[in-house]
Amino acid sequence: GQNIDQPTEMTATEGAIVQINCTYQTSGFNGLFWYQQHAGEAPTFLSYNVLDGLEEKGRFSSFLSRSKGYSYLLLKELQMKDSASYLCAVRGDSNYQLIWGAGTKLIIKP
Amino acid sequence: KAGVTQTPRYLIKTRGQQVTLSCSPISGHRSVSWYQQTPGQGLQFLFEYFSETQRNKGNFPGRFSGRQFSNSRSEMNVSTLELGDSALYLCASRPRGERGDEQFFGPGTRLTVL
Repeated sequence: GQNIDQPTEMTATEGAIVQINCTYQTSGFNGLFWYQQHAGEAPTFLSYNVLDGLEEKGRFSSFLSRSKGYSYLLLKELQMKDSASYLCAVRGDSNYQLIWGAGTKLIIKP
Repeated sequence: KAGVTQTPRYLIKTRGQQVTLSCSPISGHRSVSWYQQTPGQGLQFLFEYFSETQRNKGNFPGRFSGRQFSNSRSEMNVSTLELGDSALYLCASRPRGERGDEQFFGPGTRLTVL
């Protein structure tokens, strides 16, 4: 079957760095997405990786290793507003359907 | 450009009733996907429409159906509601339906089944 795993919850301190991991097993691979979802709001796009390596976008970076079925989202200089759920999603052997992880709830403490 | 809109935002129904939810994608977007989100389950894919055709469907019973109109607006229908159908229903649109397209989500419709 197809499966995406990410930690349920993580806690970090304001100003610090946190890494959220995502491992996947899918029957094919056509890209991996990270989304941010604040409580009560819709998910918003953070990053897209289709090739191995690191993609950097300001305070956020996303890494992909296709051979290991592994990705991580790195958040630097954490701010209180980064408290949210972070969703990992993989487009498998279909160009159309995304398979979603259950999300990682990130709690930022002062 | 206006974002994805969904109506209604909140809905309360009783078991056995049916419900229709509406989604208007971003102008120019031809692909509309529907998801069910419940605590601890993450986003569960319902179906995707592209140019009025359903081109992918998730593992939901036949009580869940949808359609897309020529203006790309989409509706989903749930018949014979069950308590377990209580969830946030999210609609997402993307421009061309290609693999790298990011999805733009609407605010969702929160359905409560009593």
